[in-house]
Amino acid sequence: EVQLVESGGGLVQPGRSLKLSCVASGFTFSNYGMNWIRQAPGKGLEWVAYISSGSSYIYYAETVKGRFTISRDNAKNTLYLQMTSLRSEDTALYYCARHRFDYWGQGVMVTVSS
Amino acid sequence: DVVLTQTPPTLSATIGQSVSISCRSSQSLLHSNGNTYLNWLLQRPGQPPQLLIYLVSRLESGVPNRFSGSGSGTDFTLKISGVEAEDLGVYYCVQSTHAPFTFGSGTKLEIK
Repeated sequence: EVQLVESGGGLVQPGRSLKLSCVASGFTFSNYGMNWIRQAPGKGLEWVAYISSGSSYIYYAETVKGRFTISRDNAKNTLYLQMTSLRSEDTALYYCARHRFDYWGQGVMVTVSS
Repeated sequence: DVVLTQTPPTLSATIGQSVSISCRSSQSLLHSNGNTYLNWLLQRPGQPPQLLIYLVSRLESGVPNRFSGSGSGTDFTLKISGVEAEDLGVYYCVQSTHAPFTFGSGTKLEIK
């Protein structure tokens, strides 16, 4: 069974950093590109970043470019999202999802507030 | 960036009614490799999204065949042939042809 489990969320002050993780199981992680998507409370889905299976291709939304870094460790079956210079508008439920958006985690909440 | 415009924003349907949702792209979603990376997702209340349709018209495994997708280029449609109570939620189109990838704004389906 495919599973994606996010962690690392929480309450953080504006301007600070946070690193999210997404542990994958039930499939060969190293064969798949992965996405981060977020959803602000009561709002729609916003795509955040993508990383290809071998990390050769990385893309970001303009809203996070230069502040967020997506990475992966295929040996650990883990996807990461390093978030810096956090803003109140980054407050959202963050999901990891496989490249085709076919499998999603349950999400992890990030709240940016003083 | 590609903008996906979904209409209508809300939809109210009775059980058994057929409905359609439109997703229009600001540019063609035909990739140079010949594929069109346009998917449809359903997000039920309190749940992560679920993939319904990928590559415009391919039904994801386990998804009921009352769901169907069609379209090409910039115009795409999701049709539900005979709405059931479990279909309530918000439907999103998403494109991954052009980076940055983008989602439509969503269509909320309510059951009358």
